[in-house]
Amino acid sequence: ILNVEQSPQSLHVQEGDSTNFTCSFPSSNFYALHWYRWETAKSPEALFVMTLNGDEKKKGRISATLNTKEGYSYLYIKGSQPEDSATYLCAYPKTSYDKVIFGPGTSLSVIP
Amino acid sequence: NAGVTQTPKFRVLKTGQSMTLLCAQDMNHEYMYWYRQDPGMGLRLIHYSVGEGTTAKGEVPDGYNVSRLKKQNFLLGLESAAPSQTSVYFCASSYPGIAGLKNIQYFGAGTRLSVL
Repeated sequence: ILNVEQSPQSLHVQEGDSTNFTCSFPSSNFYALHWYRWETAKSPEALFVMTLNGDEKKKGRISATLNTKEGYSYLYIKGSQPEDSATYLCAYPKTSYDKVIFGPGTSLSVIP
Repeated sequence: NAGVTQTPKFRVLKTGQSMTLLCAQDMNHEYMYWYRQDPGMGLRLIHYSVGEGTTAKGEVPDGYNVSRLKKQNFLLGLESAAPSQTSVYFCASSYPGIAGLKNIQYFGAGTRLSVL
């Protein structure tokens, strides 16, 4: 994998459903993996920074896991609420000190 | 508690016109970035800067120039706007150093630009 990939591109779930989506990134020379939440008409905000293989981070109903050896991270949302509707981006810092590469995002819509 | 401020928020240009987008941050961040966001394309890096007086090309630099004369400001210029530059532009800043937090991006609210 040369770039950061995310799947699915979009997701529609009912309120109360749990859901998850994937970020895939190059597994060599891993530095860190970021997750961002991007609500419509707002700007992206950082959710998680993940740096170690096996990392698991949690914020309320949202959690993320990291597998650096195989190059993927999962974001889980438990009991989705309408306010979870947003695009979720993952980003991969290409080296330690400069740019990050953003994935195309997963657009989540939670239907009340 | 301003964070990253972009001006203007909206702009309409005619083909061939020039303009400058201003990004200002008050967090003393070393790094600053300009992205464009287009439907289905995600965020693409135009130019970035790792310190005052330095700039570097990103993924899609053609048609844009940047300057970082002061640490807190990062300017994006379009010398001769083209319809293909119709997009939403985001500025971001980040700080190096702290383990695990490197390159976390703090974004401005965006500038919506239409080139007719």
